[in-house]
Amino acid sequence: KAGVTQTPRYLIKTRGQQVTLSCSPISGHRSVSWYQQTPGQGLQFLFEYFSETQRNKGNFPGRFSGRQFSNSRSEMNVSTLELGDSALYLCASSPGKDREKLFFGSGTQLSVL
Amino acid sequence: ILNVEQSPQSLHVQEGDSTNFTCSFPSSNFYALHWYRWETAKSPEALFVMTLNGDEKKKGQISATLNTKEGYSYLYIKGSQPEDSATYLCAFWMDSNYQLIWGAGTKLIIKP
Repeated sequence: KAGVTQTPRYLIKTRGQQVTLSCSPISGHRSVSWYQQTPGQGLQFLFEYFSETQRNKGNFPGRFSGRQFSNSRSEMNVSTLELGDSALYLCASSPGKDREKLFFGSGTQLSVL
Repeated sequence: ILNVEQSPQSLHVQEGDSTNFTCSFPSSNFYALHWYRWETAKSPEALFVMTLNGDEKKKGQISATLNTKEGYSYLYIKGSQPEDSATYLCAFWMDSNYQLIWGAGTKLIIKP
């Protein structure tokens, strides 16, 4: 069974640009959640989608948005990038019926210059 | 503001020694507590999902206990090996929503 796939693996952008990250969950998983990891910080929850609906959202500005498609693949978009957005972005999938363990992708390392 | 605290922040242990660390979480509205291991250059991987007060889980030389009434969980590693070097994260599920609240992790370094 294929794991959670995130693309791209690395990304370099400049301030003011926008970026789209992609996450393909494990087959059959309907929940996808997104996290931001910066040095010295724990995983910061961005949002979670289940069956194309956003079920929960963390405390991030509106520049961070996401969506989920009918095949459960999810994208995360960050507009008007700031230097502080440089981070590792992880997505995780789970069946989504209950609060089961999460399966993580390898992450996208975003650098904003 | 809900907080999950992990201590210590980092730990250096001699190979073969046993060790343990703590995760503290709100004792109200508890639903589940997760432990994950995050090795360098890899993805976080689930170790345990704990739901009941008094739960004890074991996987190889790693075990965990849960006290939901006082809001803490311990992770124990018996006879540490270099491959146990990783950051250990705990995460708390509230009863009322689908947002996992994460601790900052305990970074464990095993010295040969």
